[in-house]
Amino acid sequence: ETGVTQSPTHLIKTRGQQVTLRCSSQSGHNTVSWYQQALGQGPQFIFQYYREEENGRGNFPPRFSGLQFPNYSSELNVNALELDDSALYLCASSLTGRGRDGYTFGSGTRLTVV
Amino acid sequence: AQKITQTQPGMFVQEKEAVTLDCTYDTSDPSYGLFWYKQPSSGEMIFLIYQGSYDQQNATEGRYSLNFQKARKSANLVISASQLGDSAMYFCAMREGGRNTGNQFYFGTGTSLTVIP
Repeated sequence: ETGVTQSPTHLIKTRGQQVTLRCSSQSGHNTVSWYQQALGQGPQFIFQYYREEENGRGNFPPRFSGLQFPNYSSELNVNALELDDSALYLCASSLTGRGRDGYTFGSGTRLTVV
Repeated sequence: AQKITQTQPGMFVQEKEAVTLDCTYDTSDPSYGLFWYKQPSSGEMIFLIYQGSYDQQNATEGRYSLNFQKARKSANLVISASQLGDSAMYFCAMREGGRNTGNQFYFGTGTSLTVIP
């Protein structure tokens, strides 16, 4: 097991720019979810992918988009960055994404928008 | 209404003592799962324990146990024999619809636990 790895670990962007965050899922996991965690808050669900298809989305605008690749790695893209997008972005993978099957989380990408 | 409520922003416990972290939840789905995660300063969320809505017994995992009171919709985490390494943020989370994919986790706002030597 290699766990979930995210890159980069830290990122500073300017308002209005676009950003791509990357995630490598734990081996064998075909479900990946992305969460946004603002400072002092719990993680908020952005979306989930299962076998390259989006199968769940939280209350985030369309400028938050994603991809999952055949090897189950994934990307989170955010366009037209706003100051409020500053947060820790967590990627989590799961074998099935259901029942008692919990997530394995990465250490996150800390995005700062200035 | 909040799906998950954690009312203790911060807690202190003496090393080797037990501590209870509170969590209440709100759902009308008869099938759901409750999870507790630990988040150290490194940011990674570490899975601690799971309780299913149909589980008859309270879950236990080593020093962690879950006090599940279904009628009260509470799922408190009990950490026994606290260690200095237990100092971290603790999050309660719920996923509805046990057999369905695409179901998100709802997280609480977390409790910051500090273990005092």
